[in-house]
Amino acid sequence: DAKTTQPNSMESNEEEPVHLPCNHSTISGTDYIHWYRQLPSQGPEYVIHGLTSNVNNRMASLAIAEDRKSSTLILHRATLRDAAVYYCIPMANSNSGYALNFGKGTSLLVTP
Amino acid sequence: KAGVTQTPRYLIKTRGQQVTLSCSPISGHRSVSWYQQTPGQGLQFLFEYFSETQRNKGNFPGRFSGRQFSNSRSEMNVSTLELGDSALYLCASSGGTQEAFFGQGTRLTVV
Repeated sequence: DAKTTQPNSMESNEEEPVHLPCNHSTISGTDYIHWYRQLPSQGPEYVIHGLTSNVNNRMASLAIAEDRKSSTLILHRATLRDAAVYYCIPMANSNSGYALNFGKGTSLLVTP
Repeated sequence: KAGVTQTPRYLIKTRGQQVTLSCSPISGHRSVSWYQQTPGQGLQFLFEYFSETQRNKGNFPGRFSGRQFSNSRSEMNVSTLELGDSALYLCASSGGTQEAFFGQGTRLTVV
C-alpha cells in the first residue's frame, strides 16, 4: 500500500478557501487518489477521487501533481460544517475490491 | 434511497463473550467492507465481501470473521472478546463506482 503524509491539523476561517495537501510519493501508477472526510460522531463520507487529471465536484476540487506524488484537496469556501478529519487514500481501481487504508488524516478546524 | 444501516448502534459485552454485528448495504450494492475505529489505531480495514465471498482481508486475528448473505447483507463476528476490541465498527457498501458509503457504526464496549 502507498504511504501517505498529511499535516496533523489545519485551521481556516469560515468562507475562505482551504488547501489540504497530501504526499503519496510511493503511489502505484494505477492507483486512484481518494479523499474521504469524517465529521464528528459520523461515519466517513466520500469527497472526491481522481487518477491523473484535476477533478471538480459539488463538494471540492482535487489538484493532482503531474508526477502524481502529491495532491491537494481544495474546499473553495469553508463552512463550519466542513470541520472534519480529511483522509487522502491511494487505492487501486474498485474492480479489484474496496479496501481503504485511512491513515491518520488532517483535522480541519473552521472558525467563524 | 435508504443508506447503509448498522445494528445495533450500541452494545456492551463482557470479556470472553462473542458478538455479532449486522450491516444492511444500500439496495443494489454487492460489496460490503468492515472497519474498526479506535482512538489509538484510527480507522483500520477488517475485510470486504463481494457476492458472498471474502474479496479482501486486513491484518486482524482470526477471532474476527464475517459473512455475506445472498441479499448482500453482511454480519461480522468477534469471538472471545478482549478489552482492546472496544471500538466503533463501521461498515461501508459500494455499488461498482469508486465511492463507498458508510453507516453510522456500532459502538462496542467490552467490560
